[in-house]
Amino acid sequence: DTAVSQTPKYLVTQMGNDKSIKCEQNLGHDTMYWYKQDSKKFLKIMFSYNNKELIINETVPNRFSPKSPDKAHLNLHINSLELGDSAVYFCASSLGPSGGYTFGSGTRLTVV
Amino acid sequence: SQQGEEDPQALSIQEGENATMNCSYKTSINNLQWYRQNSGRGLVHLILIRSNEREKHSGRLRVTLDTSKKSSSLLITASRAADTASYFCATWEGANNLFFGTGTRLTVIP
Repeated sequence: DTAVSQTPKYLVTQMGNDKSIKCEQNLGHDTMYWYKQDSKKFLKIMFSYNNKELIINETVPNRFSPKSPDKAHLNLHINSLELGDSAVYFCASSLGPSGGYTFGSGTRLTVV
Repeated sequence: SQQGEEDPQALSIQEGENATMNCSYKTSINNLQWYRQNSGRGLVHLILIRSNEREKHSGRLRVTLDTSKKSSSLLITASRAADTASYFCATWEGANNLFFGTGTRLTVIP
């Protein structure tokens, strides 16, 4: 039983396209996150979200938008993809923001 | 930047030896956590140490925290080939999410 699952695992797409990455957690956690990991393995927070508020890292372009249909899902939608968006995107969840995070296995996005 | 930094960036040891990784951070924290990432996989939570704790153990893992120096260390004793991975520290400062360090890539040679 996968605790945090993301789909797809790999995504190859052309510049200018719009794509979505889905994330679901079955842990009953109340907070979910999206992180971007670049080629140097640096993890950068993009969004954190619980049922009360969405916190957006101000450096994230507005082409990226999280969508949460319910507490167990936090999807990532990306408009007008650019070459620099190529990275591995990780979804994570936690019970409150201060506890240990459970990560998904990542989505490797390649923009060509 | 709230990002922590791990030292060394890469570490290679023989199986059975101990591995020590260090993490330095810049701001006051509520807790500090260590994660492991195997190649091509997501991060796995290893251990959490609160700001009022100085040392914590979990199996072969030992974590220390020195808030006066804004630093932490992760010791893996009697290393195994399966410990080969990248290790990240992450800090929680009372805000909304964890800030991760730059990672230490550990290679354990059988």
